[in-house]
Amino acid sequence: AQSVTQLGSHVSVSEGALVLLRCNYSSSVPPYLFWYVQYPNQGLQLLLKYTSAATLVKGINGFEAEFKKSETSFHLTKPSAHMSDAAEYFCAVSLNTGGFKTIFGAGTRLFVKA
Amino acid sequence: DSGVTQTPKHLITATGQRVTLRCSPRSGDLSVYWYQQSLDQGLQFLIQYYNGEERAKGNILERFSAQQFPDLHSELNLSSLELGDSALYFCASSGEGDRSYGYTFGSGTRLTVV
Repeated sequence: AQSVTQLGSHVSVSEGALVLLRCNYSSSVPPYLFWYVQYPNQGLQLLLKYTSAATLVKGINGFEAEFKKSETSFHLTKPSAHMSDAAEYFCAVSLNTGGFKTIFGAGTRLFVKA
Repeated sequence: DSGVTQTPKHLITATGQRVTLRCSPRSGDLSVYWYQQSLDQGLQFLIQYYNGEERAKGNILERFSAQQFPDLHSELNLSSLELGDSALYFCASSGEGDRSYGYTFGSGTRLTVV
């Protein structure tokens, strides 16, 4: 069965520090992978996506993620955290089940300290 | 504004009642997805419609039903409500061949059952 695992339900970093949010997936077919961000009282917003082109994917707000097939990982990074990055981040894998269902990870809440 | 419109934003109702949540997808998107988000269950896929037809089903209770109308808007009907149904309900939409596109989410309907 396909699944997505996000390591760490909470991550805390200082402003200006590296942000690293971890995501591992399992899929029996080449996956499409996504990162979404959810700010308080809002819906999810697509940050970036991997669709079998370049393995290093750049997204909005300075985030990027690298697809590593050998490690079945798709970790999200940002070189320097801003206070405005505080939010919940979801990793997701898209499956062709006849309905293109997307499975979301449990989410990682990012806290940014001043 | 993501382009996906959900109404109402907030809903408070009593146990045993029935409610209808409405979603208008982004212009041109044929697929609509419903998700339930709660603190203990995370983001759970409920159901997908594509151009008026049910395409995929997830963890949707028998008390819940949905449909997509010819104008592509969708409604999620929740009946015999229980306290545990209190959650955020999100609608998302995507285009045809949507496995790689990612979803556009609405801002959600917060349902409180008292």
